[in-house]
Amino acid sequence: EVVLTQSPATLSLSPGERATLSCRASQSVNSYLAWYQHKPGQAPRLLIFDASNRATDIPARFSGSGSGTDFSLTISSLEPEDFAVYYCQQRGDWPITFGQGTRLEIK
Amino acid sequence: QVQLQQWGAGLLKPSETLSLTCAVYGGPFSGYYWSWIRQSPGKGLEWIGEINHSGFANYNPSLKSRVTMSVDTSKNQFSLKVSSVTTADTAVYYCASTWIAANWFDPWGQGTPVTVSS
Repeated sequence: EVVLTQSPATLSLSPGERATLSCRASQSVNSYLAWYQHKPGQAPRLLIFDASNRATDIPARFSGSGSGTDFSLTISSLEPEDFAVYYCQQRGDWPITFGQGTRLEIK
Repeated sequence: QVQLQQWGAGLLKPSETLSLTCAVYGGPFSGYYWSWIRQSPGKGLEWIGEINHSGFANYNPSLKSRVTMSVDTSKNQFSLKVSSVTTADTAVYYCASTWIAANWFDPWGQGTPVTVSS
């Protein structure tokens, strides 16, 4: 099973700052990596698919990069609504796995 | 645009069977894999398994012995059963869709909290 390790576990930043979240896979998942935003009481929301493609209606401040084993999600300038938990997910190998999440909190 | 609506019993006793159903609206039932994913309290997301419109299913090996998924194509619905539940099965359960050629989940259902307690 591919283990996805997200870092940091918690990221404390202020609105307007740049956020960079990391997801490292225990083995290559090619570019079959997605990122989700999860807020309490809501369903996870797809942000990025296939490592670098923004999903429909996702603002341009969200971007993804990477391939193989190292991936990142960047939020260029944080808006108040961006503070949430972010998960990466891979389907490059079986079974499908998620990272443990990065909590993005307001500083 | 596909939307998912899920429901099921929210309170179970140990050893009972968890049963959830998810209905698909606004899109085709074929051409997708239909998944169940859960989030236990204080933990991350865990993929449980997926099924297509033909009933072909793939399960996470960690749960495979207790999980059964099924489809009802006449109603555009798919279901999850987890047998012999324990307190470790307490979680919010989500249904989600994956287009057949995709590697991501979108959209998701609203989530159903399930508590296992004696």
